[in-house]
Amino acid sequence: AQSVTQLDSQVPVFEEAPVELRCNYSSSVSVYLFWYVQYPNQGLQLLLKYLSGSTLVKGINGFEAEFNKSQTSFHLRKPSVHISDTAEYFCAVSDQTGNNRKLIWGLGTSLAVNP
Amino acid sequence: GAVVSQHPSRVICKSGTSVKIECRSLDFQATTMFWYRQFPKKSLMLMATSNEGSKATYEQGVEKDKFLINHASLTLSTLTVTSAHPEDSSFYICSARDRTDEQYFGPGTRLTVT
Repeated sequence: AQSVTQLDSQVPVFEEAPVELRCNYSSSVSVYLFWYVQYPNQGLQLLLKYLSGSTLVKGINGFEAEFNKSQTSFHLRKPSVHISDTAEYFCAVSDQTGNNRKLIWGLGTSLAVNP
Repeated sequence: GAVVSQHPSRVICKSGTSVKIECRSLDFQATTMFWYRQFPKKSLMLMATSNEGSKATYEQGVEKDKFLINHASLTLSTLTVTSAHPEDSSFYICSARDRTDEQYFGPGTRLTVT
């Protein structure tokens, strides 16, 4: 069975500082990896995804993530955060086979950017 | 990107009544849609997978008779919460999967049962 662990439930950071949100997964099969962002009282928006190819994935809003197969990690990074990046961030995985591929979700990391 | 809408965005109902939530893919066809429930400050809990023209697949612990799902067309899935109770109050989110396998999420529906 697959699982996703987001190691930090809350990450406070000052504006313009770099940030890393950690995500580790476990799976016995090859997976696709995703990061979603949820702004207050809104639905989820895809930040970026890893399907194959380059392990460094660039997404929207200046975020990027690196797939590390040996460490089964997919950490999200941004070199300089803005107040507007304050949101809930979710890491998710799905396996690469099957018609009803489901996303397995982490518990989320609450990013709070302070002035 | 693709757009998924949900209606209504907020609903308040009395205990014992039923509520229907609609999920529409506006500019693509979705053979598969997913229904999630999200509690405050918690991750998403997958409730069921909805396939067009067939019965939904419910996750373990989700009452299929209480949460009725219908996926009558390639652009519409509905979730009906029957005989709602205060413990059903939550944020319900749907997603639709397109041909490239990407999931697009609706903005969510906040249900409050009084």
